[in-house]
Amino acid sequence: NAGVTQTPKFRVLKTGQSMTLLCAQDMNHEYMYWYRQDPGMGLRLIHYSVGEGTTAKGEVPDGYNVSRLKKQNFLLGLESAAPSQTSVYFCASSSHGRGTQYEQYFGPGTRLTVT
Amino acid sequence: AQSVTQLGSHVSVSEGALVLLRCNYSSSVPPYLFWYVQYPNQGLQLLLKYTTGATLVKGINGFEAEFKKSETSFHLTKPSAHMSDAAEYFCAVSERRASSGSARQLTFGSGTQLTVLP
Repeated sequence: NAGVTQTPKFRVLKTGQSMTLLCAQDMNHEYMYWYRQDPGMGLRLIHYSVGEGTTAKGEVPDGYNVSRLKKQNFLLGLESAAPSQTSVYFCASSSHGRGTQYEQYFGPGTRLTVT
Repeated sequence: AQSVTQLGSHVSVSEGALVLLRCNYSSSVPPYLFWYVQYPNQGLQLLLKYTTGATLVKGINGFEAEFKKSETSFHLTKPSAHMSDAAEYFCAVSERRASSGSARQLTFGSGTQLTVLP
C-alpha cells in the first residue's frame, strides 16, 4: 500500500493564481483532512471530510475550498493565492468506526510558496 | 476548546542521554493523546498513543509516554538518545467524545525540535 500520497510535492505560485492540491489514500479510510504547517505553530486544520461528498471547515478555512468526490481522494483548492498561504500542506486520513478512528495517517506534504 | 502546550521549542541532548519532551493539555475531559515525529522533509509518523487502559504507553523506536491526569500531562521519554532520534516531535490531542458523524479532530502543539549531540 502506498498509504497517503500528495501531488505535487513543490509548487511556486504568483499572487492571485489558483491551484489544486491532490491527496489520495488507498486504505479505504472514511475520514480525510487537510492541514497547514507553519514554523512555531504546529499543524492547523483547514478542512476535513467524514465521507464521500461531505466536507467541513476546520480551524483556518478562509481562502481554501475542498472537494471529496471520490472516497479515496480529497482535493484542496486555492482560488486566488496570497503570500500568507505560503506553507507546507499535509493531507491525512483515518478510519471510521468504534475504537478505530484514533490515529491519522499523514502524507509527505506539499511545499507551496506564493510570491 | 482544547489546547496543547509543548514546553521548549528546541531541546538538545547528548547521544546516550535521557530524552524528555514535555506536553501538557487543557481539556475539561481527558482527551485521547498522541505523539508524532517528523523527520526533515517528511510527513508525520505516529510514535505512540493513549486512548484507554494502562497510562504508561510504549511506542516505536524505544519511546514511551505516561498519561498523568492529575498533572494534565503526557510527557515523552526515551532512556538513551540516538543520533537518528533527531527530528521534530509533536504532541496532539483529540476529544474523547465526538459528535455523531464528525471526525475526531486533532489539535497539535507547536512542536519540539530535538537535536542529538555526538
